[in-house]
Amino acid sequence: GAGVSQSPSNKVTEKGKDVELRCDPISGHTALYWYRQRLGQGLEFLIYFQGNSAPDKSGLPSDRFSAERTGESVSTLTIQRTQQEDSAVYLCASSLVKKGNQPQHFGDGTRLSIL
Amino acid sequence: SQQGEEDPQALSIQEGENATMNCSYKTSINNLQWYRQNSGRGLVHLILIRSNEREKHSGRLRVTLDTSKKSSSLLITASRAADTASYFCATANAGGTSYGKLTFGQGTILTVHP
Repeated sequence: GAGVSQSPSNKVTEKGKDVELRCDPISGHTALYWYRQRLGQGLEFLIYFQGNSAPDKSGLPSDRFSAERTGESVSTLTIQRTQQEDSAVYLCASSLVKKGNQPQHFGDGTRLSIL
Repeated sequence: SQQGEEDPQALSIQEGENATMNCSYKTSINNLQWYRQNSGRGLVHLILIRSNEREKHSGRLRVTLDTSKKSSSLLITASRAADTASYFCATANAGGTSYGKLTFGQGTILTVHP
């Protein structure tokens, strides 16, 4: 697979449960991004990983949200004690990074529904 | 918060017509990018224009950038029903260490009627 892969594609869970979302970036892409997209809205930046640098976590909405990435491979976004307002599509993207003049390549997202 | 603001929020046209979408932003940028999103899918990169460029073409797409007005426009010529999608502008801010980090607008929903 040449593209960004996300799993699961859909997740329905009860309020208060923890969820883990996975992103497989394009091989060789050093940068990885997580976004949240609420229904009918634009993308809200969550977190950005670039190589071995400290991640930019400035977009995480609360301490219930965390993300990890090992090297330049898979990343997981974890939401603890989910709330109904967490319902959204969570999109992952990856890119090469050369002074920022690179497009991002997106997965199809995980649609998260909190009951 | 979203830096980009897109106008119009929704656009409905007939096949063969041109579609123009506008984007405004607030801070100095390194580049501006346009993406397309079909319903239920991820975003697909369309075109990137650097801050020192004023116009760029790709197939039926034409993008302009006016850094003095902090605005950009995307023109789709001879539209097709398959162009129906949401279109987003995104800016990469100048400076800082988070190279490649993008700020997205709210998007324009384009509907092209056959």
